[in-house]
Amino acid sequence: DAGVIQSPRHEVTEMGQEVTLRCKPISGHNSLFWYRQTMMRGLELLIYFNNNVPIDDSGMPEDRFSAKMPNASFSTLKIQPSEPRDSAVYFCASSLQGIDYEQYFGPGTRLTVT
Amino acid sequence: QKEVEQNSGPLSVPEGAIASLNCTYSDRGSQSFFWYRQYSGKSPELIMSIYSNGDKEDGRFTAQLNKASQYVSLLIRDSQPSDSATYLCAVNSGGYQKVTFGTGTKLQVIP
Repeated sequence: DAGVIQSPRHEVTEMGQEVTLRCKPISGHNSLFWYRQTMMRGLELLIYFNNNVPIDDSGMPEDRFSAKMPNASFSTLKIQPSEPRDSAVYFCASSLQGIDYEQYFGPGTRLTVT
Repeated sequence: QKEVEQNSGPLSVPEGAIASLNCTYSDRGSQSFFWYRQYSGKSPELIMSIYSNGDKEDGRFTAQLNKASQYVSLLIRDSQPSDSATYLCAVNSGGYQKVTFGTGTKLQVIP
């Protein structure tokens, strides 16, 4: 079975540009999580969805960040406008409710904002 | 106080030794506990889950949970250089599927 799929794997963009990260969760999983990882702050939860509904977006750093999950098999994380401090690795993870919260991570998107 | 605390390391052990990784958490209501392994430049990989007090063994890995002391640990027997990675402790803090991650302990297994 395919795991969590993320695209792109690497993104280099200039400050002020819009960035869209994409995620396809494991088929059948009904919870999806967006994380950001940096050396300084470790792994931070940005937002998570349950059955396509955003449950907790308290980790979203500011209004420049937005996330959507239009259906059970696709989610996007958008940054507009991007800033150099947004440079990080962004992970998407999914889990199946009722299986004791085990989350499975995608390969991540390494974002560099110059 | 951080919700999930780990020593950042690095923890260095010789090949063949037992590596002991520790984690404490603050929420007494936590129910589910996880260990993830993350190789440099890769994503976190779930290696152990534990839900009740005591030990859980899977191959060379043993997870230990003590809810009274709010303490969870991971033992790696017969450590191999391929075990060199950062190990993340994660705890379900209540509410749907959300878990909180520690900052991780870097393990170095010396050949």
